[in-house]
Parts: sequence; structure tokens; C-alpha cells
Amino acid sequence: EVQLVESGGGLVQPGGSLRLSCATSGFTFSSYWMTWVRQAPGKGLEWVANINQDGSEKNYVDSVKGRFTISRDNAKSSLYLQMDSLRADDTTVYYCARGIGGGYWGQGTLVTVSS
Amino acid sequence: DIQMTQSPSSLSASVGDRVTITCRASQGIRNDLGWYQQKVGKAPKRLIYAASSLQSGGPSRFSGSGSGTEFTLTISSLQPEDFAIYYCLQYNTYPFTFGPGTKVDIK
Repeated sequence: EVQLVESGGGLVQPGGSLRLSCATSGFTFSSYWMTWVRQAPGKGLEWVANINQDGSEKNYVDSVKGRFTISRDNAKSSLYLQMDSLRADDTTVYYCARGIGGGYWGQGTLVTVSS
Repeated sequence: DIQMTQSPSSLSASVGDRVTITCRASQGIRNDLGWYQQKVGKAPKRLIYAASSLQSGGPSRFSGSGSGTEFTLTISSLQPEDFAIYYCLQYNTYPFTFGPGTKVDIK
């Protein structure tokens, strides 16, 4: 069974940092692109970033470029999102998803940026 | 960035109805489009990929069509568990972009 479990969310002050993790199982992690998507409370979905199988290609939405870094550890079947210089509008639920088109999703982790 | 629009933004329908949702891209995206269902408090779930391919294990009442700039998601016979918000996603050009969503609720 394919499983993706996000962790690392929480309350952080504006300008602070947070690292999200996505632990996966049930598939060959190293064979898939991986994706982060976010959703503000009561709002729609926003694609954030993705990374190719060996980590050599990374893509970001403009609003997080230079602040967020996506990475992966294929030995641990895990995906990460390092978030720096956090702003209030980064307050959202962050989902990890398998593949370019997000075939499977985790349950999400909430990040709240507030003083 | 490619802008995705969806119509209608919401609709009310009855169990058994045929429902069609349209997604339009601001420029051609071939068939690089997915459809996702999201229920309240839950993560999205992909229904359709490559515009018309049914996700493994997905109900056959869901179908997708289209190519280029106009796409449709059709639910052939609406079931009680289908009341949700539906989103399209283009994954042709970075940054990938979602449509604003279509809420399907009970009439």
C-alpha cells in the first residue's frame, strides 16, 4: 500500500524557518518525481515545488523561490521541504504527493506563521 | 504562468445526475492535465491523469476528455460520495497550476 506521511508542521514566527518531511512507503521512492502542494485554510490548491528522481532537477513556484528548498533522501524514501524566511501567507496545509501529476497524496501538515 | 479556469464554480445536483465540469487553460497544454477530488478535511485524490486516463482503482463513472486548452470531467451518475470539490491541474509548463475548483453539492 502506497503511504505518504508528512511531519514537521507547526507554529513559527514570521521570518523563521521550518523543515517539513514526507516519509513514504509501499513503492520504489527513487523511481518517482515528488511534489509539494499547499492549501491555505478554505482556499484552493497551490503547486509549490517538485524534484526529479535523483534530485538533480528542482522546480518552484515564484512565490517561494529563494526561500524554500526541496530535497530528497532516496536511501530513506523521504522528501523534504526546507522553508526559510517564512511569511504570514505561507500559512497553509502542506501536502506531499508522488509523481509529477500527484497520483498519491499524504494527509498534510499544517504550518502556521504568526507572531 | 498558465492560468487555469473552471466552470461552473459550483453546482447543485441530485444523486443519479450526469455532471460535467470544464477546465480551460490559457495556452495549450497537450493532454498534461489531471483531475482531483477533495472532500472536506481530506487530502485531494487524483481521479484522472493525462486528461482521460482513469486513476487505478477509480470509479468508472468518472471520465475525462479534452486536449490543448479545453478539458472536461464527467460524472456519469452522481453518487452520494461524489459531493466534493474538484480541481484540475496542468503539469505541462512550470510553474504547474491548479484551477480554482468546482464545488459539487446536493440539490
